[in-house]
Parts: sequence; structure tokens; C-alpha cells
Amino acid sequence: GQNIDQPTEMTATEGAIVQINCTYQTSGFNGLFWYQQHAGEAPTFLSYNVLDGLEEKGRFSSFLSRSKGYSYLLLKELQMKDSASYLCAGEDSNYQLIWGAGTKLIIKP
Amino acid sequence: DAGVTQSPTHLIKTRGQHVTLRCSPISGHKSVSWYQQVLGQGPQFIFQYYEKEERGRGNFPDRFSARQFPNYSSELNVNALLLGDSALYLCASSQRPGRRDTEAFFGQGTRLTVV
Repeated sequence: GQNIDQPTEMTATEGAIVQINCTYQTSGFNGLFWYQQHAGEAPTFLSYNVLDGLEEKGRFSSFLSRSKGYSYLLLKELQMKDSASYLCAGEDSNYQLIWGAGTKLIIKP
Repeated sequence: DAGVTQSPTHLIKTRGQHVTLRCSPISGHKSVSWYQQVLGQGPQFIFQYYEKEERGRGNFPDRFSARQFPNYSSELNVNALLLGDSALYLCASSQRPGRRDTEAFFGQGTRLTVV
């Protein structure tokens, strides 16, 4: 079966670092996406990993291990505006996205 | 350049009715995907169209159908609406499926409420 697992909710402090983990099982695997979604809004693209390793993009980095079926999103220097849901999505062999339920990230001052 | 546009933004229907949701992709994008997002959950894949052909279908009943037009815009149709169809319906466009350098861009969604 196809499954994406990520924590339901996380809390972090402004200025700190947080890591959101995601494990996946898909029918074939092409790559892994991370999206940010503010309440009531559409998801916006953050990253796409297809090779093992860490990809850095400003304050956000994403890591992938294909052998372990594991990814994480790392957010540094947290800002209040980073409070949102973070969605992990695996792209299966048919190029369709299988989505996790999202991790709600709460940033406290 | 306009992003992905969806219409209407909000809609209220009664059980048993039919609904048509519309999506215009970003200019130059030929692939459109439809997702259903129930509150508090991640999006669930419904359909993907590329070059006017259905490329994929999620685990949704036959009450759900879609099509893509020559200008690459798309419609999602839902018949015999149920209360459980109440959700945010998202449309995403990309240049084509399967390219690493092409992420999907989402529209703002249509909020459907079935009463």
C-alpha cells in the first residue's frame, strides 16, 4: 500500500531550529515534495528531493534517504510567519503525489 | 503572469445536486491535477490530466469525473453530492508530469459545502 507518515503537530520557539520528519511507502518512487500550507490557503512548494542527501534553500533544507524511505524538512531561524502546516508528498511511479496529513507547526515567541 | 485560477471560490450545494468546478492552469502548463482536501487532512489525489488525456485517477467513486480542454483548462464534475463531499478542492498545474525542475503550482481552491 501507499502511505505517508508525519507527526500531527510540533511546537518550536521563534529563532530556533525544527526538524519535521516524514516516512513514506509508495508504489514505485520518483521523488519527495515538501509544501507549506497556511490555514485557509493553498499549498506552496518548498522543495523536491529525488537523490539522497541534503538540499539547502535559504532557511529551509530538505533531506532524503531512499533506502530508508525517510525525509525531513529542517527550518532554521524560525519566524512567527513559519507557523503553518507542512505537507510531505511522495511522487509514485505514475508521477502522482501521495500526501501526508500534514504537520501543524506552532511557533511561540 | 496569472497563477492557477479556480472558480468559484466558495460554493454551497444541497445533497443530491451536481457541481462543476473550473481550473485555468498557468500559461504554458499542460498538466492539471485535482485534489480533495478535507479539513485537517492532506490533499487526496482525484485526477491528473496531461495533454487532454487522463493520466491518473485516485480512489474516488464514479460520481467524480473530469476533463481537460484544448486550452488546457479543466473541469471537475461531481454528481449526486453527499455531505462527505464537503471539502476544499484544489487544482494544481505543472508543465508536465515527472520533471524534477517543475513543481506543481496550486490554485486557491474551491471551498464546497454540501448541506
